[in-house]
Amino acid sequence: QKEVEQNSGPLSVPEGAIASLNCTYSDRVSQSFFWYRQYSGKSPELIMSIYSNGDKEDGRFTAQLNKASQYVSLLIRDSQPSDSATYLCAVISGTYKYIFGTGTRLKVLA
Amino acid sequence: DTAVSQTPKYLVTQMGNDKSIKCEQNLGHDTMYWYKQDSKKFLKIMFSYNNKELIINETVPNRFSPKSPDKAHLNLHINSLELGDSAVYFCASTPSRSSYNEQFFGPGTRLTVL
Repeated sequence: QKEVEQNSGPLSVPEGAIASLNCTYSDRVSQSFFWYRQYSGKSPELIMSIYSNGDKEDGRFTAQLNKASQYVSLLIRDSQPSDSATYLCAVISGTYKYIFGTGTRLKVLA
Repeated sequence: DTAVSQTPKYLVTQMGNDKSIKCEQNLGHDTMYWYKQDSKKFLKIMFSYNNKELIINETVPNRFSPKSPDKAHLNLHINSLELGDSAVYFCASTPSRSSYNEQFFGPGTRLTVL
């Protein structure tokens, strides 16, 4: 089992719809969870961080964390073509080691 | 500009050569990282330094040797390059070893081994 798992996609959604991206992790002691966006040919950039169970909202983005189920998700409301990118889930596990998922490619169709 | 910078941006070389990639951050961060991202976009940690001390050393061939002359710089030297070393290498930094810090990434170095 991979330490951080994501569906590679592509996930295609129409413009204006809600995009839902999911991530599961294997290490129960993980404390910190991040979503990064990576455009093709560019470096990852932070979208959201979440540390406690529940929802965290920032503009059109909502991160959801369920530590009991070892599950973290990212919702993007009113999806725009500019949201088309690869979304990487990251978990800090063990001794300050970041573990990234393989990423989900999102395509927002105009 | 405050940032994480890497040189070179592109590196094309022959198998068997030795090459280095340099990274500098002027964010005042204590901790720096090297990641390798393969063609399938999987971003895998290779090394991490905290205040010039090696704290993470993943299962990486010993042809790869990191060096941190000071906490603002982390270089990666690769000996005897192989075809499988072709990837994008990202440097990143965080303020400290705390579990709550986001990573700040450099622009990446695309290494192509022919």
